Amino acid sequence: EAGVAQSPRYKIIEKRQSVAFWCNPISGHATLYWYQQILGQGPKLLIQFQNNGVVDDSQLPKDRFSAERLKGVDSTLKIQPAKLEDSAVYLCASSLGRLTTPGTSGTDTQYFGPGTRLTVL
Amino acid sequence: DQQVKQNSPSLSVQEGRISILNCDYTNSMFDYFLWYKKYPAEGPTFLISISSIKDKNEDGRFTVFLNKSAKHLSLHIVPSQPGDSAVYFCAARNAGNMLTFGGGTRLMVKP
Repeated sequence: EAGVAQSPRYKIIEKRQSVAFWCNPISGHATLYWYQQILGQGPKLLIQFQNNGVVDDSQLPKDRFSAERLKGVDSTLKIQPAKLEDSAVYLCASSLGRLTTPGTSGTDTQYFGPGTRLTVL
Repeated sequence: DQQVKQNSPSLSVQEGRISILNCDYTNSMFDYFLWYKKYPAEGPTFLISISSIKDKNEDGRFTVFLNKSAKHLSLHIVPSQPGDSAVYFCAARNAGNMLTFGGGTRLMVKP
């Protein structure tokens, strides 16, 4: 089974430029997540999609970040314009999206892609 | 406001010994706790989880313990192997399947 695919793997840009990242989730996974991982920290959720609808984007800096998942499969995350503090690894994850009852066995496990390392100069 | 904290940035153990990684949380509403393992240049991979109504879950060499009164969980790896060397992230889940991660602990297992 193919995993979560992301591209590009690395990107270097200058501040104030724009950049876009692409994610292809595991086939059949309804839920897609974008995380930002700054060096030395854990991943921080930016946005969660269920099919092509946004479930949560409370931590997405909407003045410069945008994300879409138009057909409920692939997703793109864009930064415009980039700042120095946006340097990080951007991780995409997907999960089946089944509803789980707290306390029952199993979780809606999130599977991560390899990430895109962004450097803003 | 860090809701999930891993206070040890690194840990070094000898091959064959036990590795114990710790994690503390503040939000009582989390319903599941998970551990992810991350190798360089790869995304995190799911390792093991525990429901908030349990106090122990075991999977082979990996055991997670949850102490709800202390808001503390730990991951035990026995015996530790050099291939276990990686960064381990503790994560806590809310009802919307959103994860809050700790800062990670780098485990080094020496042969």
